[in-house]
Amino acid sequence: GAGVSQSPSNKVTEKGKDVELRCDPISGHTALYWYRQRLGQGLEFLIYFQGNSAPDKSGLPSDRFSAERTGESVSTLTIQRTQQEDSAVYLCASSFRTGQGEAFFGQGTRLTVV
Amino acid sequence: GENVEQHPSTLSVQEGDSAVIKCTYSDSASNYFPWYKQELGKGPQLIIDIRSNVGEKKDQRIAVTLNKTAKHFSLHITETQPEDSAVYFCAASDNYGQNFVFGPGTRLSVLP
Repeated sequence: GAGVSQSPSNKVTEKGKDVELRCDPISGHTALYWYRQRLGQGLEFLIYFQGNSAPDKSGLPSDRFSAERTGESVSTLTIQRTQQEDSAVYLCASSFRTGQGEAFFGQGTRLTVV
Repeated sequence: GENVEQHPSTLSVQEGDSAVIKCTYSDSASNYFPWYKQELGKGPQLIIDIRSNVGEKKDQRIAVTLNKTAKHFSLHITETQPEDSAVYFCAASDNYGQNFVFGPGTRLSVLP
């Protein structure tokens, strides 16, 4: 596709369940980022991938959060044993190379933990 | 690591007036500074960016200025229109693998 695609667009889950969020970056983009945005708040960095380098996981808030990326393609963000404070919009972005040029954002996945 | 501050957090202007949003950064290695606009229910979208070898950049009603010595950069929107109402985020990044660090955002309201 032409842009960054995220799925699902909305997810409602029960507290304690695991969820997987998917991001399809723009083809050819080597850098991929995950951010969390709570209601009315800014963009909280979670993790980024750059090509085959080890990912920067410094923003992951707890060991319940993990992310994977296969090569330079799809990435999945997994949240285990979800808590109500995990409710937020999870945004994915990709760019041609980290810190070089425009980062394109997807529409986000709105996660609600009930 | 990099820290980006942004002011004001909210800004209301009358249609046709100018709006200015200011950001400061802490890491002198940062050399790329994009501005993003986020409309309700959508992901952020780049509106303008500037690199450290340039002091000012303009695109129609939007301009960005950069002061590397003081480590601050600003977004200027002239002749504001209601469709400019959104949340604006500044960010800083460097060439050496550092991720984009975003400011906390400014909610701009343009009153008709």
